Amino acid sequence: AQRVTQPEKLLSVFKGAPVELKCNYSYSGSPELFWYVQYSRQRLQLLLRHISRESIKGFTADLNKGETSFHLKKPFAQEEDSAMYYCALYNFNKFYFGSGTKLNVKP
Amino acid sequence: NAGVTQTPKFRVLKTGQSMTLLCAQDMNHEYMYWYRQDPGMGLRLIHYSVGEGTTAKGEVPDGYNVSRLKKQNFLLGLESAAPSQTSVYFCASSYSGLNQPQHFGDGTRLSIL
Repeated sequence: AQRVTQPEKLLSVFKGAPVELKCNYSYSGSPELFWYVQYSRQRLQLLLRHISRESIKGFTADLNKGETSFHLKKPFAQEEDSAMYYCALYNFNKFYFGSGTKLNVKP
Repeated sequence: NAGVTQTPKFRVLKTGQSMTLLCAQDMNHEYMYWYRQDPGMGLRLIHYSVGEGTTAKGEVPDGYNVSRLKKQNFLLGLESAAPSQTSVYFCASSYSGLNQPQHFGDGTRLSIL
């Protein structure tokens, strides 16, 4: 069963434009949601998690339990945001990644 | 500071051969993980370890074995490689728990012919 869905394989925006990377999940209970990011020639790393309720590099994500979504947003995209973004879910010693969205920020 | 180091980076095997992937971390983390990533899919957890001498199954454990004899090392073994195990394998570690920040290695690209 697909537990974490990222519907867009590729998202291209211009510098300065708002960006939203979509993530939907299907899991009962109260899972924890995360966004991981992999920049070019770097390792996969944690960007943010919903329980921290923090903004990292201008990105925020709100957990919407009604819509079972955890979309990643940034009001003004920068070229250095270009990367592969993975949504992930944790519940009861299980951890699931989505298939990822490649964000391309054009100058 | 190396973080998580995976050995080897690339390997080609023939069907039926065996091999071991090595993961080493220098952050004194308790938890370690092995994932595989196939084209168009997210990372899937194979096995994990919550401490030295302990291992547990993840989402896709069949065909793999693991060992954690030392806290800093986590080995992934393929006893009889199959073409379906062609994938990129990632090791990760965290201080405590899957829901804590996981630190990843560079990955091992494994091809089974």
